[in-house]
Amino acid sequence: ETGVTQTPRHLVMGMTNKKSLKCEQHLGHNAMYWYKQSAKKPLELMFVYNFKEQTENNSVPSRFSPECPNSSHLFLHLHTLQPEDSALYLCASSRQPLQGYPSGANVLTFGAGSRLTVL
Amino acid sequence: GNSVTQMEGPVTLSEEAFLTINCTYTATGYPSLFWYVQYPGEGLQLLLKATKADDKGSNKGFEATYRKETTSFHLEKGSVQVSDSAVYFCALYGSSNTGKLIFGQGTTLQVKP
Repeated sequence: ETGVTQTPRHLVMGMTNKKSLKCEQHLGHNAMYWYKQSAKKPLELMFVYNFKEQTENNSVPSRFSPECPNSSHLFLHLHTLQPEDSALYLCASSRQPLQGYPSGANVLTFGAGSRLTVL
Repeated sequence: GNSVTQMEGPVTLSEEAFLTINCTYTATGYPSLFWYVQYPGEGLQLLLKATKADDKGSNKGFEATYRKETTSFHLEKGSVQVSDSAVYFCALYGSSNTGKLIFGQGTTLQVKP
């Protein structure tokens, strides 16, 4: 399978649950990202991993915990979420990090997203 | 800081109509500009890009020209189809120093038969 695959596609959880979102890319990319997409708002970058190392955390609450065990897999662990965390969570990857490399090649490839509903 | 502003939607057109979705930006230096499209139930995918002033990006009948004098990158298509119904995002990449890809808020296009 090619591209960026996200699972599950839909998730409903209570505020006390613990769940995880998974992202997998088979493109040989070295950078991976988590974005949050809420209605009528710009995409919000949450976390950046370059060569498996976290290089950016955009003031994301600690109830979101990312994990990148290798350059092909990225997880977002969720616990004690709030209803306002309901959104579409998008994973993306790029061949090289956006920072420090020529921009022309740094096109993001996105997964289809995980639709999260927090009750 | 860098920013991207898109026209608010939804934009509703009849099939074969001409499409323009406006995008303007604020940036220092010479950013690269992108249009991404998100079809229903899918993630974003790159539609076209332009990396320097006066460049024209094109794909699937869509075009956008990088206008530095007006700081704009408007998306156009001469004849839209129902299958073009989607959300369109304008995006800016400022420089490799910051590594930031800034997205606009998205514009929903609905094409009716």
